[in-house]
Amino acid sequence: EAGVAQSPRYKIIEKRQSVAFWCNPISGHATLYWYQQILGQGPKLLIQFQNNGVVDDSQLPKDRFSAERLKGVDSTLKIQPAKLEDSAVYLCASSLDAHNEQFFGPGTRLTVL
Amino acid sequence: AQSVSQHNHHVILSEAASLELGCNYSYGGTVNLFWYVQYPGQHLQLLLKYFSGDPLVKGIKGFEAEFIKSKFSFNLRKPSVQWSDTAEYFCAVKNSGGYQKVTFGTGTKLQVIP
Repeated sequence: EAGVAQSPRYKIIEKRQSVAFWCNPISGHATLYWYQQILGQGPKLLIQFQNNGVVDDSQLPKDRFSAERLKGVDSTLKIQPAKLEDSAVYLCASSLDAHNEQFFGPGTRLTVL
Repeated sequence: AQSVSQHNHHVILSEAASLELGCNYSYGGTVNLFWYVQYPGQHLQLLLKYFSGDPLVKGIKGFEAEFIKSKFSFNLRKPSVQWSDTAEYFCAVKNSGGYQKVTFGTGTKLQVIP
C-alpha cells in the first residue's frame, strides 16, 4: 500500500514570497490533515478535511495560509506571503475517517530567510 | 481545550536500560490516547493506541503504555531499550466525542548509547 506522498521535500524562500505544498493521501482515505511542526515542538493541526469539506481550520492563520482539497483526494497548502516564523516542517496525514489511525507523509521542510 | 505535557525533553539511556516516558493530558471527557515515534529520517508512525478496555496497551517493538485515568497519564514503557530505539516519541490525545481533534505533545528525544 502506497503511503502519503508530499512534495517538495525541502523548500527555501525569502520572506514575503509565496509557497505551495502538495499532498496525495492514501487511496480511499476520506480524512486529510495538514500539520505544522516547528523545531522543538509537536505537530500542530492547521486544517482537517473530510472529503473536500473543511472540518477544522481554527488554527490556520487565514490571513496568509490557505488550503484546498477540491476533488476530495489531493490537497495543496499555500502560504502567501511567508514570514520568518513560518519556518517549519509541514506534515500531511490521512486516515480512513476521523475515527481511525492517521498515517503521516515525510513532510516538507520550509526555511524562510 | 485539551493539552498534552511531555516532561522529558531529552533522555539518554544505555542499551538494556529500562525506559519510561511521561505523558499527561488535560481534558474533562473521554479520550483516545496515542504514542507516535519518529526514527531519524523517517515518517511519524503509530507506536500504540488506547481507545477503551484494558488500560495496559501493548504496541510494536516491545513497547507498552498504561492509561491511568485518575492521574490523566499515559506513560510509555519498555523494559530493555536497544540502540535502534533512538528516536523522537510523541504522545497525543484525541477527544472521543463530537469533533475528534488530535493534540500532540512536544515530544521526547530518546538517545540510546550502545
